[in-house]
Amino acid sequence: GDSVTQMEGPVTLSEEAFLTINCTYTATGYPSLFWYVQYPGEGLQLLLKATKADDKGSNKGFEATYRKETTSFHLEKGSVQVSDSAVYFCALSSNGQNFVFGPGTRLSVLP
Amino acid sequence: EAGVVQSPRYKIIEKKQPVAFWCNPISGHNTLYWYLQNLGQGPELLIRYENEEAVDDSQLPKDRFSAERLKGVDSTLKIQPAELGDSAVYLCASSQAGGASYNEQFFGPGTRLTVL
Repeated sequence: GDSVTQMEGPVTLSEEAFLTINCTYTATGYPSLFWYVQYPGEGLQLLLKATKADDKGSNKGFEATYRKETTSFHLEKGSVQVSDSAVYFCALSSNGQNFVFGPGTRLSVLP
Repeated sequence: EAGVVQSPRYKIIEKKQPVAFWCNPISGHNTLYWYLQNLGQGPELLIRYENEEAVDDSQLPKDRFSAERLKGVDSTLKIQPAELGDSAVYLCASSQAGGASYNEQFFGPGTRLTVL
């Protein structure tokens, strides 16, 4: 079945550092890919998405590119802020209704 | 506009006791999901509703878990009896009508269950 693998956390960075969180997937066909963010005490929120190969999703300075050849969707941000501290989940959906989530990567940004 | 509402936010019970969680989705959202989130893991689907119909309950442990969505709006997830391994966060999410295209899910804050 479909699955998502993410780099293990926690990831600890200083403010203004460059962020990469790796995500790879296994799926039949061509799924849509997503990054969700969960701030402390809150529900998951959609951060960005890409629905086909080579699409780049972007939001709030975060970016991820759908790479079919490497089955990857790595999350990047050029300069992280303390307010970016959260748990980030990579996810996929092959049919638009059911979603498979990765285990999450906790990010801590220190001032 | 109000988001997805869940209650209670926290629940502590002893094993073998029953427990119920309630979810009110965003107005107009036909699709409702219940997910289980264990510590350090991503959400795992328990059940998906389209209006009042459970269209995917393949991952719901039906020996002890049940769910209903009367009138296609609010939903209740029940566990009876609860076991120690049920300690987790139970998430509710909703989205607009299904179909071939992707519809964004909106998540509630979850109910954290502790079984002693």
